[in-house]
Amino acid sequence: DIVMTQSPDSLTVSLGERATINCKSSQSVFYNSNQKNYLGWYQQKPGQPPKLLIYWASNRQSGVPDRFSGSGSGTDFTLTISSLQAEDVAVYYCQQYHSTPFTFGPGTKLEIK
Amino acid sequence: QVQLVQSGTEVKKPGASVKVSCKASGYTFTNYAMHWVRQAPGQRLEWMGWINAANGYTKYSQTFQGRLTITRDTSANTVFMELSSLGSEDTAVYYCARKAFSEWLSPFDYWGQGTQVTVSS
Repeated sequence: DIVMTQSPDSLTVSLGERATINCKSSQSVFYNSNQKNYLGWYQQKPGQPPKLLIYWASNRQSGVPDRFSGSGSGTDFTLTISSLQAEDVAVYYCQQYHSTPFTFGPGTKLEIK
Repeated sequence: QVQLVQSGTEVKKPGASVKVSCKASGYTFTNYAMHWVRQAPGQRLEWMGWINAANGYTKYSQTFQGRLTITRDTSANTVFMELSSLGSEDTAVYYCARKAFSEWLSPFDYWGQGTQVTVSS
């Protein structure tokens, strides 16, 4: 199984500042055949299901604000929120869908300073 | 609009089974596979398995092999998840989630609201 790790466990950022969350996979989630990284990012607010933010490591899902961006390749990935808004308080998870069992990171809790 | 509506809260005794439903609307049901994911208190999301809504093909995580069954009813646009031999460690919120793209490997773009399953004697 591919093990996903995230850092930090929690993050406190001021409104309007940048937030950066890291994700690492125990093996590459990149397929040479189509040059894609099988990595997604989800946002989960209390009492709600997860919401897909980013897929193929850097593609923003429809309707997601452009302050959210994803980067990275192979085994190391980053989710960046360029200017933190109050509604961004949530837990963020990375997920690999390169191979089953699809696995998620432990989550990063993002709070406002 | 796409909606996935799950059945309600369940309380079960150890050793029992639970069956959770997920009714889809707003899209062509057979065009998208459906996954099941669970989240135990304070734990990360855990993928359980998926079903091809068109042909009923299923694939399960080894963690649940032998006690997980995912089925679908195309006439009712509904997917079912049945978990047997429940233990306290199965206490969790269970989600259905739609596969986003036609590619075999794809993220999950729409999620149900979640169903709380509590296992307690």
